[in-house]
Amino acid sequence: GAVVSQHPSRVICKSGTSVKIECRSLDFQATTMFWYRQFPKQSLMLMATSNEGSKATYEQGVEKDKFLINHASLTLSTLTVTSAHPEDSSFYICSAVPRVLSYEQYFGPGTRLTVT
Amino acid sequence: DAKTTQPPSMDCAEGRAANLPCNHSTISGNEYVYWYRQIHSQGPQYIIHGLKNNETNEMASLIITEDRKSSTLILPHATLRDTAVYYCIVRVRTGGFKTIFGAGTRLFVKA
Repeated sequence: GAVVSQHPSRVICKSGTSVKIECRSLDFQATTMFWYRQFPKQSLMLMATSNEGSKATYEQGVEKDKFLINHASLTLSTLTVTSAHPEDSSFYICSAVPRVLSYEQYFGPGTRLTVT
Repeated sequence: DAKTTQPPSMDCAEGRAANLPCNHSTISGNEYVYWYRQIHSQGPQYIIHGLKNNETNEMASLIITEDRKSSTLILPHATLRDTAVYYCIVRVRTGGFKTIFGAGTRLFVKA
């Protein structure tokens, strides 16, 4: 089956620093990747949609300058949390849509970010 | 906004069937019903999807009412490992879709 990986699986960073999370589609090309955020005991919240080679589309209320998304290739999208603060601590999950079978969606295992 | 309504939590005895309901009264004709589950601190796991016919796979069965306004996910013999949050989602099955998660149902399978 289609596999999506995320790296790192968990990261701890200090307040004010930036942290990058990678999302890779391992065995397929993904024209679209989604980024979600999940706070404890809450549901997944869609943050943004990234399409290969174009700017990401952010959901209402998500700061595009704080959450930088780059989808530079058909197998890699990155989410950079800039100037992280403790309130950015969350579980970040990506999902990828195959170039072929563009109606399917495969989720990554998530990245736990803790900002101290 | 999510287009589905689910009970916040349910209990089920191990070995018994778990029946998880979902209301999607505003579903459009071209929208499918998808079910995912999320075990603690993991990404969502696909379970099953359907349009209007009942569906079954190795994990579960999906029963969709004739008017398509509600559905039920059935785990025929629940195990402790089925304890998770189950999400019912409606979306189109074409390019350009978005998957919006509702609150889901937290299923506790008890020994």
